[in-house]
Amino acid sequence: NAGVTQTPKFRILKIGQSMTLQCAQDMNHNYMYWYRQDPGMGLKLIYYSVGAGITDKGEVPNGYNVSRSTTEDFPLRLELAAPSQTSVYFCASSFRLAGSNEQFFGPGTRLTVL
Amino acid sequence: GQQLNQSPQSMFIQEGEDVSMNCTSSSIFNTWLWYKQDPGEGPVLLIALYKAGELTSNGRLTAQFGITRKDSFLNISASIPSDVGIYFCAGQNPSGYALNFGKGTSLLVTP
Repeated sequence: NAGVTQTPKFRILKIGQSMTLQCAQDMNHNYMYWYRQDPGMGLKLIYYSVGAGITDKGEVPNGYNVSRSTTEDFPLRLELAAPSQTSVYFCASSFRLAGSNEQFFGPGTRLTVL
Repeated sequence: GQQLNQSPQSMFIQEGEDVSMNCTSSSIFNTWLWYKQDPGEGPVLLIALYKAGELTSNGRLTAQFGITRKDSFLNISASIPSDVGIYFCAGQNPSGYALNFGKGTSLLVTP
C-alpha cells in the first residue's frame, strides 16, 4: 500500500513552459486535493475533486487545471509557468464519511520557475 | 480560505521538556487536525478531533478541540530529538470541503 504518490519530486521550468504534476492514490479514497506551500506559510488549496469526473476550484486556482478521469489519479496541469508558481505542491486524498476529512498527503513536488 | 492563527511561530527547547502550541480561528470548525511535517516531506497526520471538548492522545501527544469550536491545542510531553519538525493545525468548517491550515509551529529540540 503506497498511499499517495507524486511525480516528479523536483522540476525546474522556464517561464512559459507547461508541465503536468502526477498524483496517484491506492487507498480507494473518493476525495483528492492539490495544495501549494510557500516558504513559512501553511498550505493553500488549488483544486479538489469529490470523485471521478468532478472537480472544483479551491482558494488559488489561477494558472492551473485539473482532471479526474479515475478514482486513483488526479493530475495538476500548469499551462504557462510563471515565477509566482515556484512552490512545493502537495497532493492529498481522503475518504469523506459523515464529517470525517482526514487527509493523507504525498511527499510533494518541488517546482522552480525561472 | 481562512487563515488560522497558530502560535508560537517557533520553539527551541531542551530534550525532556513539555511543549504546548495552539491554533485559533474566527469561525467555528467541526473538525480539527494536527499534522507534523519533516524537512522535504509531506505532512503526516498526528491527531484528528471531531467533537467540541474532545481530548485525544497519540503516545506523547495530546490534542484538544476547544469548547468554543474556534480553537485547538496540541501538547507534546517529554520531547525527544525526533520531535523536531513543523507542526500544522488544520480546521474544517461545516460547509466546506477544504482544510484551512495554520502557518505552522517550528519545533527544535536540543539533546
